[in-house]
Amino acid sequence: DVKVTQSSRYLVKRTGEKVFLECVQDMDHENMFWYRQDPGLGLRLIYFSYDVKMKEKGDIPEGYSVSREKKERFSLILESASTNQTSMYLCASSTASRDSQPQHFGDGTRLSIL
Amino acid sequence: GEDVEQSLFLSVREGDSSVINCTYTDSSSTYLYWYKQEPGAGLQLLTYIFSNMDMKQDQRLTVLLNKKDKHLSLRIADTQTGDSAIYFCAESPLGNKLTFGTGTQLKVEL
Repeated sequence: DVKVTQSSRYLVKRTGEKVFLECVQDMDHENMFWYRQDPGLGLRLIYFSYDVKMKEKGDIPEGYSVSREKKERFSLILESASTNQTSMYLCASSTASRDSQPQHFGDGTRLSIL
Repeated sequence: GEDVEQSLFLSVREGDSSVINCTYTDSSSTYLYWYKQEPGAGLQLLTYIFSNMDMKQDQRLTVLLNKKDKHLSLRIADTQTGDSAIYFCAESPLGNKLTFGTGTQLKVEL
C-alpha cells in the first residue's frame, strides 16, 4: 500500500512565523502535490513537483513556497504565516504516466495561524 | 477553465441507495475519480472510470459516466452509517494534475 505521511496532524503557529509542513511518500512516486482544503471550496492546488528539484505553481501559490531536495520528500513553506492561511493542508503523490494516475493522500495537517 | 461541480449535501436513510452527482467541463479528461474523506482524515481513492467507459461496478459502488453531458455519478447501494463522509469527484484535464469538485457531504440517518 502507498503510504503518504505528513509530519503533523495539528499545528498552531503565530502570524509572521515561517512554517514548514513536511510530507514523505514511500512508493518512489515521481509526482507530489500540496493542496489546501477549505469548506465549500474543495481542494485547491498550491504547488506540485514532477521530479527532484522541480516545482510548479498550482492555482493558489501566493504566500507559499516548496522544496523537493529528495524524491520522497516534499515540503511546503509558509514564508510569513498569515491568518488567512489557517486551513487543512493535504499532501499527495502519484506515479508518472502519460495518462493521469490516481493520487494518494496523506491524513492532512490542520494548521491554525493565530 | 476547468470546473467540477457537486451539490454540497446529501442525506439518506440507512439501507437506501445514495446517488452523488458531479458535472465536469473538460472533455479531454482521461480518467474520472471518486474519493472519500472521513472526518479528520485525508482522501481515500474509492474508484475511477476510464473516459471511454459508460459504467463501472465495484461491490456496492456503481459509477455512471455520461460523456456527452459531462456528468458523472456515484451510486452507493445499501448505504450504511460508515458511508457517512465527504465524497469528491475529480477530473484529469492536464497530464498528472487533478481538478477536484467542492465535495458532497453524505449523511446517513438511522
